[in-house]
Amino acid sequence: GAVVSQHPSRVICKSGTSVKIECRSLDFQATTMFWYRQFPKQSLMLMATSNEGSKATYEQGVEKDKFLINHASLTLSTLTVTSAHPEDSSFYICSARDVTRSYNEQFFGPGTRLTVL
Amino acid sequence: AQTVTQSQPEMSVQEAETVTLSCTYDTSESDYYLFWYKQPPSRQMILVIRQEAYKQQNATENRFSVNFQKAAKSFSLKISDSQLGDAAMYFCAYRSADFGYGQNFVFGPGTRLSVLP
Repeated sequence: GAVVSQHPSRVICKSGTSVKIECRSLDFQATTMFWYRQFPKQSLMLMATSNEGSKATYEQGVEKDKFLINHASLTLSTLTVTSAHPEDSSFYICSARDVTRSYNEQFFGPGTRLTVL
Repeated sequence: AQTVTQSQPEMSVQEAETVTLSCTYDTSESDYYLFWYKQPPSRQMILVIRQEAYKQQNATENRFSVNFQKAAKSFSLKISDSQLGDAAMYFCAYRSADFGYGQNFVFGPGTRLSVLP
């Protein structure tokens, strides 16, 4: 299957700082990427849909000013957690949609573990 | 809105035996996809099997098969000849087939499967 990477895989930051997480589709173009959050021992919850060249669509309850999403190219979406707080500590996973494949198949990145001290 | 329910938070199976994980979902759409994903301790999401709602035939992938009951909105996963490497968290997921709905995944809460030697 296709490959999606995320960087960094782990990040530890101090409360009040900002952290940027990158999601890249390595061998296909992805006009749409999705950002999910997974708290410990819980399921994946959609945070936002990232569309290349346009504004992201956020799920209810997700603060768009806190979780900034930029999808500036067909292979890269970034999620910036601004003014991070300990409650933002979580596992963040992206998926990228390849519309050239059957079922508009999507591929997941390996995830980023964010710890806010 | 679509919802996915997994009523078994934890399951265990003896190595080489068969186990069935349950999943029910709710949707008003007629065309959609259903998935089972495996999440090992690395937390990388691994696609186990996919079912298209318009196909009556149940999907199979080697030791993995599903029992798809569209009218009952039920989608169970059967793992035959269980192996130690099957131990993981298993998520049932729904995805719309309608491009206009963005096609994000809706995940169930997960079932943790243990395989006993």
